[in-house]
Amino acid sequence: SQQGEEDPQALSIQEGENATMNCSYKTSINNLQWYRQNSGRGLVHLILIRSNEREKHSGRLRVTLDTSKKSSSLLITASRAADTASYFCATDARSKSTFGDGTTLTVKP
Amino acid sequence: EAGVTQFPSHSVIEKGQTVTLRCDPISGHDNLYWYRRVMGKEIKFLLHFVKESKQDESGMPNNRFLAERTGGTYSTLKVQPAELEDSGVYFCASSYRGETQYFGPGTRLLVL
Repeated sequence: SQQGEEDPQALSIQEGENATMNCSYKTSINNLQWYRQNSGRGLVHLILIRSNEREKHSGRLRVTLDTSKKSSSLLITASRAADTASYFCATDARSKSTFGDGTTLTVKP
Repeated sequence: EAGVTQFPSHSVIEKGQTVTLRCDPISGHDNLYWYRRVMGKEIKFLLHFVKESKQDESGMPNNRFLAERTGGTYSTLKVQPAELEDSGVYFCASSYRGETQYFGPGTRLLVL
């Protein structure tokens, strides 16, 4: 499997529900970042969590990092239709970010 | 503060033609990266500049791709000649001293 692999690949929920996406990686990291890509648009940086952090919040986003398991999760609370997008995690090893395939989230109104 | 900008936002060309993509990093950022997402697959690293020098170009798919960063400011990525499989979204990112990478909006390339 690839570095920065997201799980699930696709997620469909109702507006107002919470969405949880997971990411696993293989090598040591300096930090891990989550991005969103709306269809046909660019990457939007959501949140960065450093390797010495375990949890971080930003608005309706909550990211956790478990370096012992080499995994991270992104929780979006009280989802909205506008959250519909592809979500990627990327491990930043200073020289290049390695992305997974992404999780496609669909939030139904 | 202006973010990473890319030009053009979209490009449609025919197979065999040449296309040049441009990336302007955030002012002061010495590191510049190119990535691409092809056919809805994962986003893949292409290469990394530190100032005007190529630090890592291990992701460049073949010699039809040429990246430059003269003067260590903006960068261009030229595809010559373009092939159908080059279609995708090309992202540029920049960082200061290799810290957080900030991505541009991407250039959507369609090769017909």
